[in-house]
Amino acid sequence: EAQVTQNPRYLITVTGKKLTVTCSQNMNHEYMSWYRQDPGLGLRQIYYSMNVEVTDKGDVPEGYKVSRKEKRNFPLILESPSPNQTSLYFCASTSHPGGTEAFFGQGTRLTVV
Amino acid sequence: GESVGLHLPTLSVQEGDNSIINCAYSNSASDYFIWYKQESGKGPQFIIDIRSNMDKRQGQRVTVLLNKTVKHLSLQIAATQPGDSAVYFCAENTQGGKLIFGQGTELSVKP
Repeated sequence: EAQVTQNPRYLITVTGKKLTVTCSQNMNHEYMSWYRQDPGLGLRQIYYSMNVEVTDKGDVPEGYKVSRKEKRNFPLILESPSPNQTSLYFCASTSHPGGTEAFFGQGTRLTVV
Repeated sequence: GESVGLHLPTLSVQEGDNSIINCAYSNSASDYFIWYKQESGKGPQFIIDIRSNMDKRQGQRVTVLLNKTVKHLSLQIAATQPGDSAVYFCAENTQGGKLIFGQGTELSVKP
């Protein structure tokens, strides 16, 4: 089954404690991205990757890092989380840059206290 | 700047009626405009897209209309069902593959 898998689904952490949210896709897609979803603000892109070892900033990259060492994985790293990063996070993949059908993961609900 | 926005944050319809969800956009350079559906507790799911050189496209029970003159996009759902209750996002893709999403409209279907 074609899918994008994120882990964990829920996470509560404290300010400053580094964390990683994993994302994996099994569709051999080139393009992967991370979004955060906040009430009233919709989905905003954090980072994206057009292929292995190619990453770039989206609209709200501050406080986040990503890596793309393998085609299937695109982890999101918060080196020093802060309360304003409390949000619902989605990983997505598209077969190629410019593709319109993005496949989204189930989401990760992050709370930073 | 670029933006994709929705006219109404909520829409309530009777089961069996047709639904129309609207969206305004400001970037005329996008190749495609897309509709996504997000059910509670899930990630957004692709519904249908339309190329910028088209004005109408039909899918199964859904029709997307694009009016480039007024920069308006709409999603029509025929014979709305309870399973259609969700938040609907319009989006556009840009050069480089970035998707820009609107804020969403919550569709509620009354039995």
